[in-house]
Amino acid sequence: EADIYQTPRYLVIGTGKKITLECSQTMGHDKMYWYQQDPGMELHLIHYSYGVNSTEKGDLSSESTVSRIRTEHFPLTLESARPSHTSQYLCASSEYQGTGYGYTFGSGTRLTVV
Amino acid sequence: GDSVTQMEGPVTLSEEAFLTINCTYTATGYPSLFWYVQYPGEGLQLLLKATKADDKGSNKGFEATYRKETTSFHLEKGSVQVSDSAVYFCALNSGNTPLVFGKGTRLSVIA
Repeated sequence: EADIYQTPRYLVIGTGKKITLECSQTMGHDKMYWYQQDPGMELHLIHYSYGVNSTEKGDLSSESTVSRIRTEHFPLTLESARPSHTSQYLCASSEYQGTGYGYTFGSGTRLTVV
Repeated sequence: GDSVTQMEGPVTLSEEAFLTINCTYTATGYPSLFWYVQYPGEGLQLLLKATKADDKGSNKGFEATYRKETTSFHLEKGSVQVSDSAVYFCALNSGNTPLVFGKGTRLSVIA
């Protein structure tokens, strides 16, 4: 049972709208991540955070922004959605487990911009 | 930087066939290696992992061995089932860095 929750699961929205994708985890993990999965299924890191008030951009340039005001919450915001933002967005968190890091993924938000 | 290369699909097999999905990596230091599986319409699930050379990860009949000398972590299963149809991702993590994924391999198993 995943302890990381993403809402909504599916979202269809018009071009130019502002949207926020929610991600929450109950495990107390400091590290959290957002990956964008394109229709071709490749996964691209777009944002990550190593703790409260810490955010970094990932490998793929993204027009989205993130915030980390509370440990458990890592929302992603698109100020003005475009069809090119149509993707699945996966949130994850991680913790050190003695021999390496363990990662937990949410179920994803499938975003369609029309 | 770190990178993962896995064989491109799609891979189509008959039920009970042997599966191999190749994965090689480039990394500094000693990364942890992972295989994730994504079923249709879902997020990623950890399938197995290995954290040091010669470790073998295994789960649900799948296996992969961390080969430092060949920088590889190939996924194998002796007899696939229709329910194994999914997308499989090889990934690595070096120290404190985020997970780096391969491009994914789509597997279809037909009865």
